[in-house]
Amino acid sequence: EAGVAQSPRYKIIEKRQSVAFWCNPISGHATLYWYQQILGQGPKLLIQFQNNGVVDDSQLPKDRFSAERLKGVDSTLKIQPAKLEDSAVYLCASRKWEFDEKLFFGSGTQLSVL
Amino acid sequence: DAKTTQPTSMDCAEGRAANLPCNHSTISGNEYVYWYRQIHSQGPQYIIHGLKNNETNEMASLIITEDRKSSTLILPHATLRDTAVYYCIVRVPMNTGNQFYFGTGTSLTVIP
Repeated sequence: EAGVAQSPRYKIIEKRQSVAFWCNPISGHATLYWYQQILGQGPKLLIQFQNNGVVDDSQLPKDRFSAERLKGVDSTLKIQPAKLEDSAVYLCASRKWEFDEKLFFGSGTQLSVL
Repeated sequence: DAKTTQPTSMDCAEGRAANLPCNHSTISGNEYVYWYRQIHSQGPQYIIHGLKNNETNEMASLIITEDRKSSTLILPHATLRDTAVYYCIVRVPMNTGNQFYFGTGTSLTVIP
């Protein structure tokens, strides 16, 4: 089966610009997550979707970050305006349902903010 | 937020067993221990998980102490392809589902 797909693979922008990342989870996976991974650290949860609804966005900096999963399948994460400290890898992950045992990750989008 | 502590880095000779330790002294009775690894420029990949019994699969073995405050991931015959960052994770059941809390991981280098 196909894995979690993410694009773009790399993105370089200047501070105060906007950027968007796209994720297509494994087919049939109802639960989707976005994680932020700063260099040298483990992934940190930003937001969790169950189908097309947000169930946890407590760690999402809502003044600049937004995410949607309109049809309950693919998802977009946006940053506007970007700051230098947003430089990180943004990982998308999915699982069949919120209590499923395994979490499957995409390869991530590496963002550099200059 | 991290519920685990791991050594920052380790080396292992190719062909030898790699033993990666993890402390999770505040783990609760219904929280599982998971291990994932992340090869450079890829997303984390599942290895193994357990609650209190030792577990083995085709990739690795997981040894959990009786008091569940620590565990060890064992790669029985390390190869160069096992060079990666290994994350010991506590899975916490919450109303929103099972949440994974990543620490900073151990960077394992397998030496030829």
